[in-house]
Amino acid sequence: LAKTTQPISMDSYEGQEVNITCSHNNIATNDYITWYQQFPSQGPRFIIQGYKTKVTNEVASLFIPADRKSSTLSLPRVSLSDTAVYYCLVGEGWMDSSYKLIFGSGTRLLVRP
Amino acid sequence: DTAVSQTPKYLVTQMGNDKSIKCEQNLGHDTMYWYKQDSKKFLKIMFSYNNKELIINETVPNRFSPKSPDKAHLNLHINSLELGDSAVYFCASSQGGTDSVTIYFGEGSWLTVV
Repeated sequence: LAKTTQPISMDSYEGQEVNITCSHNNIATNDYITWYQQFPSQGPRFIIQGYKTKVTNEVASLFIPADRKSSTLSLPRVSLSDTAVYYCLVGEGWMDSSYKLIFGSGTRLLVRP
Repeated sequence: DTAVSQTPKYLVTQMGNDKSIKCEQNLGHDTMYWYKQDSKKFLKIMFSYNNKELIINETVPNRFSPKSPDKAHLNLHINSLELGDSAVYFCASSQGGTDSVTIYFGEGSWLTVV
């Protein structure tokens, strides 16, 4: 099983860039790396996904080194509304219908004014 | 339009009762899931169905019985509810492919057993 490890919590201030790093030493060749965001009283929401190098969308960037044993979610210029729990996940069994995502404990990001 | 919807959002019931949580997705996905998030906020997969067939059953007590009448619906029935069943239950869906898979979650159903 590909397990992920990420910081339990992080604090930041509005307008700063936040980088959350996740380690996944046992990532398999076919696994993708996915990040989800969860606000209180809501379901997790997809943020970004990547396989290698760098991926960028309108919300965040994802940096993945060549060995793929870690990844870094970068949130540019965070606002108070970015306060949430961020989960790093590595997919399993995606090539067949038994695909499932294993959630870790997540990183609680607190953005202060 | 809500992509993955589940009802009820809140449910308070007594120990020993039987209850159901319903889930529907309008995304046309083939695969649906039930996840459980406990008081410590750990999110664990319980079941996965693909085209109405059970694919994943993650060591869940047999008091929990998922039912998928069609690929757009995956209901969760729980018999003889226990205090430890109190949690948030999330329904989700995805469409498999040759590359990556993105899972879409519902808003959750808060179950409190008293």
